[in-house]
Amino acid sequence: AQSVAQPEDQVNVAEGNPLTVKCTYSVSGNPYLFWYVQYPNRGLQFLLKYITGDNLVKGSYGFEAEFNKSQTSFHLKKPSALVSDSALYFCAAIYNQGGKLIFGQGTELSVKP
Amino acid sequence: DTEVTQTPKHLVMGMTNKKSLKCEQHMGHRAMYWYKQKAKKPPELMFVYSYEKLSINESVPSRFSPECPNSSLLNLHLHALQPEDSALYLCASSQEERGPYEQYFGPGTRLTVT
Repeated sequence: AQSVAQPEDQVNVAEGNPLTVKCTYSVSGNPYLFWYVQYPNRGLQFLLKYITGDNLVKGSYGFEAEFNKSQTSFHLKKPSALVSDSALYFCAAIYNQGGKLIFGQGTELSVKP
Repeated sequence: DTEVTQTPKHLVMGMTNKKSLKCEQHMGHRAMYWYKQKAKKPPELMFVYSYEKLSINESVPSRFSPECPNSSLLNLHLHALQPEDSALYLCASSQEERGPYEQYFGPGTRLTVT
């Protein structure tokens, strides 16, 4: 079955430290992979996507993600976290070029000063 | 401009009311989506329109009725809703339905059914 998993419900990081939010996907073809962020009482904002090519993808607000085909992972990273990065993060995939985004369960990131 | 707008921001309605949610985008996108989202959960797809035609209906109850009057507008008509329909309703658009296209989301309508 096509699925996306975010194994951590919550990630806590100190400001200035590097952050990682984990995502794994089921192997079913070659999915397109996405990261979205949602601030309280707001819609989702697109951060970055992987289609093909370079395994390191750079996106908005200093975020990047590393695609690892052997581990079927697409982890979101940032070298130095900001308090304003605190939000709910969703990993998502599109399989077989279909229009349906399949979301992970979300990871709440908390960055403390 | 990557903006999707939604009105109203908040809506409180009784179970016998009829109301509509509106969504608009001016990015020239040909696919538009309605999602329902409960607190701290991922969005759940409800409907997809592609080139103004309904492409996907995720077995949504008939008390939700979508409409796509033109390529920039998407409506969601609500009638005889239940309290469990209270949620954040998100609209999104993408360049096309099929392909590696990111979706752009509006800020949502917070719906409360009393």
